[in-house]
Amino acid sequence: GQNIDQPTEMTATEGAIVQINCTYQTSGFNGLFWYQQHAGEAPTFLSYNVLDGLEEKGRFSSFLSRSKGYSYLLLKELQMKDSASYLCAVMDNDYKLSFGAGTTVTVRA
Amino acid sequence: GAGVSQTPSNKVTEKGKYVELRCDPISGHTALYWYRQSLGQGPEFLIYFQGTGAADDSGLPNDRFFAVRPEGSVSTLKIQRTERGDSAVYLCASSLERTGPRQETQYFGPGTRLLVL
Repeated sequence: GQNIDQPTEMTATEGAIVQINCTYQTSGFNGLFWYQQHAGEAPTFLSYNVLDGLEEKGRFSSFLSRSKGYSYLLLKELQMKDSASYLCAVMDNDYKLSFGAGTTVTVRA
Repeated sequence: GAGVSQTPSNKVTEKGKYVELRCDPISGHTALYWYRQSLGQGPEFLIYFQGTGAADDSGLPNDRFFAVRPEGSVSTLKIQRTERGDSAVYLCASSLERTGPRQETQYFGPGTRLLVL
């Protein structure tokens, strides 16, 4: 099975940086995904990591350390529209995704 | 292009009734997934189709839940004798094909909000 932990809530100021941590214990590993989900909407794909290191995509970056079972999502130059839930998900050897409960990020002016 | 679509967007039913939820995946995507998401939780895997067959139905909570994908495109999730505990958002996702994890990136539909009274 999979055990995925991430903080429940985080608050930050517009223009600032926020780092959302995710730790996982899994029976198989085929990559880690981050999704963004606005209230009442579908999750949308943000990033994918399968090798150790940092993947940068505009204002968003995602980091993975497989040996530590650890990932983070870094949001830079926060905007009000970034207020959402951020879901960490691990893909197992059967290509099945297991999700964490999500981290609700609130961006304040 | 068009994304994953789901109908209905909202469904209110009474305990004991039967419901069907429909998912239309992205054109060309061979893999299709159903998830259930309760308030404040991440999506929980229910079932996965590769083509027409259910490759993994280990997440279905009990035999009241069943899903089909007869022509390898549209899928229907069927819930019999609904219970109040079935109330949740039912999400559908699709992915390209099983050639590697990156190709398995799943794209989600808007979900069906099911409320069982």
